[in-house]
Amino acid sequence: GAGVSQSPRYKVAKRGQDVALRCDPISGHVSLFWYQQALGQGPEFLTYFQNEAQLDKSGLPSDRFFAERPEGSVSTLKIQRTQQEDSAVYLCASSTDGSAPLHFGNGTRLTVT
Amino acid sequence: GQQVMQIPQYQHVQEGEDFTTYCNSSTTLSNIQWYKQRPGGHPVFLIQLVKSGEVKKQKRLTFQFGEAKKNSSLHITATQTTDVGTYFCAGSGGSNYKLTFGKGTLLTVNP
Repeated sequence: GAGVSQSPRYKVAKRGQDVALRCDPISGHVSLFWYQQALGQGPEFLTYFQNEAQLDKSGLPSDRFFAERPEGSVSTLKIQRTQQEDSAVYLCASSTDGSAPLHFGNGTRLTVT
Repeated sequence: GQQVMQIPQYQHVQEGEDFTTYCNSSTTLSNIQWYKQRPGGHPVFLIQLVKSGEVKKQKRLTFQFGEAKKNSSLHITATQTTDVGTYFCAGSGGSNYKLTFGKGTLLTVNP
């Protein structure tokens, strides 16, 4: 596709529910990142994939957060037992390699009520 | 951990005025990138600086990387209403892939 595609665009979850956020990166981009952006803040690193390998998950806030990219293309960020503090925009980005400029998707705005 | 500070947090200018945002890192950076995020949009890559003292220009935008590779600036000459948005710097240290973003500078332009 022309750019990074994320779905859903908006997600409202009740506290305690599980959610799954999808990212479809630019074709051929080996590197894929997830960032979390709170209102009025800069994006914060969550995790990094090179192809299907998750090389860094140091930014995941808790063990309720899980990300996968099983075939080295589409990635899913899963949040179990959502809490109010999980409310944020979740941005996916891809790049040709780890240090190359990031191409961001439009993000998924998660609201936990 | 690595911290990236950005000032000012907000800047309101009249169209035609100049604008500068500054970025400072607590550690030496291997490279710094600048992104622009329009209201309701996603960050869009502007430029990457790698070398100490590097200066790059894109039309009315001038980007600088400090000699010590710990600070950077973005200067816009003669702002236009299309420049409205939040400008983020993002630096990487030892691990080139992991970007630490500043909080951004929100620029508004009065026509």
